[in-house]
Amino acid sequence: DAMVIQNPRYQVTQFGKPVTLSCSQTLNHNVMYWYQQKSSQAPKLLFHYYDKDFNNEADTPDNFQSRRPNTSFCFLDIRSPGLGDAAMYLCATSREIGGSSTQYFGPGTRLLVL
Amino acid sequence: ILNVEQSPQSLHVQEGDSTNFTCSFPSSNFYALHWYRWETAKSPEALFVMTLNGDEKKKGRISATLNTKEGYSYLYIKGSQPEDSATYLCASSVQAGTALIFGKGTTLSVSS
Repeated sequence: DAMVIQNPRYQVTQFGKPVTLSCSQTLNHNVMYWYQQKSSQAPKLLFHYYDKDFNNEADTPDNFQSRRPNTSFCFLDIRSPGLGDAAMYLCATSREIGGSSTQYFGPGTRLLVL
Repeated sequence: ILNVEQSPQSLHVQEGDSTNFTCSFPSSNFYALHWYRWETAKSPEALFVMTLNGDEKKKGRISATLNTKEGYSYLYIKGSQPEDSATYLCASSVQAGTALIFGKGTTLSVSS
C-alpha cells in the first residue's frame, strides 16, 4: 500500500552527468516537496509544488530543477551533479502547505556522484 | 532564521528502558510542531502534530509534550523495544502555509 513511491532507491551518476529522480503519490495531495538530506544533517527543503505552482527555496542552487506534469508525479532534475550533491533525496506530499498539515514521505533516493 | 535543535544526537538504551529526547524551537515564532519516526530503509512516518501549549499526545508507548512558551517538545518512549530503533525527527512551522523546518534528528538504538 505504498502511498509515496520514489525511484530509484539508489542512483549512481558521474560528475556532471544529468540525473533525474522520480516521485509518485497515490494520495491525491495538492502539495509535493523535495528535500535534500546530507549525512548527519537536517532534511533541507529544496522546493515544493502547490498543485502546478512551483515554489523554489531562496538558497536552492540553480543546478536543481523540478517538474510536476500531473498531480501524481514529480521529478527532481540535477543538471550537472557535483560531488557535493551526493545525499539522500526525500519526496513528500501533504494536503496543504506546511503549517499543521502532516507530510507523507517516500523512502528516499540515495544519490552517489562519482 | 528558524532553527530547530534536537538532543541528544544519538543514544543507545537497553530493551525495557524508558527514554526521552528533546526538540527546541524559537518560541517567538510558532505554529505547529511535528514528530516523525524514520526507520532505516523505510519512509519517515508521522507520529504527532501538535499546536497548543501544554498539548500532550500519545500513540502506544510513545508520547509527546509541547511547551510553546519556552520553545521545546519532549518525546517519551516507555519500555523501549528493538523495533523502536530509528531516527526521530522533529519539525516546526511558524505559520499556516509555510514550510516545515526540520531538526537533525535523534537516532535511537535499542538492544535486546
